[in-house]
Amino acid sequence: QVQLQQWGAGLLKASETLSLTCGVYGGSFSDHYWSWIRQPPGKGLEWIGEIKLSGSTNYNPSLKSRVTISLDTSKNQVSLKLRTVTAADTAVYYCARRIRGVITLDYWGQGTLVTVSS
Amino acid sequence: QSALTQPASVSGSPGQSITISCTGTSSDVGSYNLVSWYQQHPGKAPKLMISEVTKRPSGVSNRFSGSKSDNTASLTISGLQAEDEADYYCCSYASSSTLIFGGGTKLTVL
Repeated sequence: QVQLQQWGAGLLKASETLSLTCGVYGGSFSDHYWSWIRQPPGKGLEWIGEIKLSGSTNYNPSLKSRVTISLDTSKNQVSLKLRTVTAADTAVYYCARRIRGVITLDYWGQGTLVTVSS
Repeated sequence: QSALTQPASVSGSPGQSITISCTGTSSDVGSYNLVSWYQQHPGKAPKLMISEVTKRPSGVSNRFSGSKSDNTASLTISGLQAEDEADYYCCSYASSSTLIFGGGTKLTVL
């Protein structure tokens, strides 16, 4: 059974860098894309970006200048960095597995609440 | 890149059927048969309910079905049950290899 386990700092100050990691347990790490999605409190889902095994990335244009998604294939881990955060970046952040060739996000992490204080 | 348009809320009584629409543009929903739907209960991670417009993953009740016409995708839930009360989100492939979500629809089972 595939499990995605997330961890990272939950409280940041404005201008700091958000850093989260998602560990993938079970299933094939190489056959899929790995995505990050966020959800501000009481609001909808927003796609942040994704990475393929090749290291190729795609990002939401609205966040592209501040986001980096990376892979550590030796550890089956995917990481997210979001620079220069503000209160608007306060959200629950999810990692998710995307099936290659389609947009199906079939497994999700448990979510990590990141709060940015000013 | 604007969010796909969903109704903010829908409601229905147990046993009834409801449909949630998801309207995009010819650059996303209208161009690809790559729309998925997710169910989210409070405090939980989203759960995949429909992929590629109409495909139902293993384990998802056959009361859930999807369709698409032009720039609008739809999720239909038949035989409403109390456990279906949740938020529902559509997601589509968009240009430049990006994904876009709908704003979400809160389903209330009366």
